[in-house]
Amino acid sequence: QVQLVQSGAEVKNPGASVKVSCKASGYTFTSYYIHWVRQAPGQGLEWMGIINPTGGRTRYAQKFQDRVTMTRDTSTSTVYMELSSLRSEDTAVYYCARSLGDSGHFDYWGQGTLVTVSS
Amino acid sequence: SYVLTQPPSVSVAPGQTARITCGGNNIGSKSVHWYQQKPGQAPVVVVYDDSDRPSGIPERFSGSNSGNTATLTISRVEAGDEADYYCHVRDSSSDNVVFGGGTKLTVL
Repeated sequence: QVQLVQSGAEVKNPGASVKVSCKASGYTFTSYYIHWVRQAPGQGLEWMGIINPTGGRTRYAQKFQDRVTMTRDTSTSTVYMELSSLRSEDTAVYYCARSLGDSGHFDYWGQGTLVTVSS
Repeated sequence: SYVLTQPPSVSVAPGQTARITCGGNNIGSKSVHWYQQKPGQAPVVVVYDDSDRPSGIPERFSGSNSGNTATLTISRVEAGDEADYYCHVRDSSSDNVVFGGGTKLTVL
């Protein structure tokens, strides 16, 4: 069965970086795009960007353009999202989700990773 | 940037019909997807490409999209439908994914 399994919760100091992983299984890794979406406490969904696992091409939301890096490792079917220069407003649950085609719906989601930014 | 507008809340009695709207400029020309999110859980798609339903989603969930408004309709609402609902489109001008602000469905 299709699964996207994310890494565990993180606590970071302001100014630090965090790297969250998303390991895919149950399907051909390179056949689906992976998106990252975050949700601050009590807030709505916010799209951060997308990576094409085939060639590694990325596209980021302008808000995160200079702070986010998405990469993939095809040998382990894992996608990574690194967010730098963390601030308290980055405290959120971060989700990975897959889509068939870069404009398709998100048919499977990871379980979410809580990132807490606090001194 | 493209903006999707949802009502913050919708309330409905069990057995009645809930309609959740998603407004956007000429949204009828885009494909709209809808997600249900229950507390502490990841979102789940309930309608995609305006009106298609994934396997396992009850027929009570349906969608439509025309003009400047897309609508998620939930017929014969049950207590288990209580959740937050989000609409999603791709903004072709920016190539970005856009979510609506979300609607909390309360079953009275």
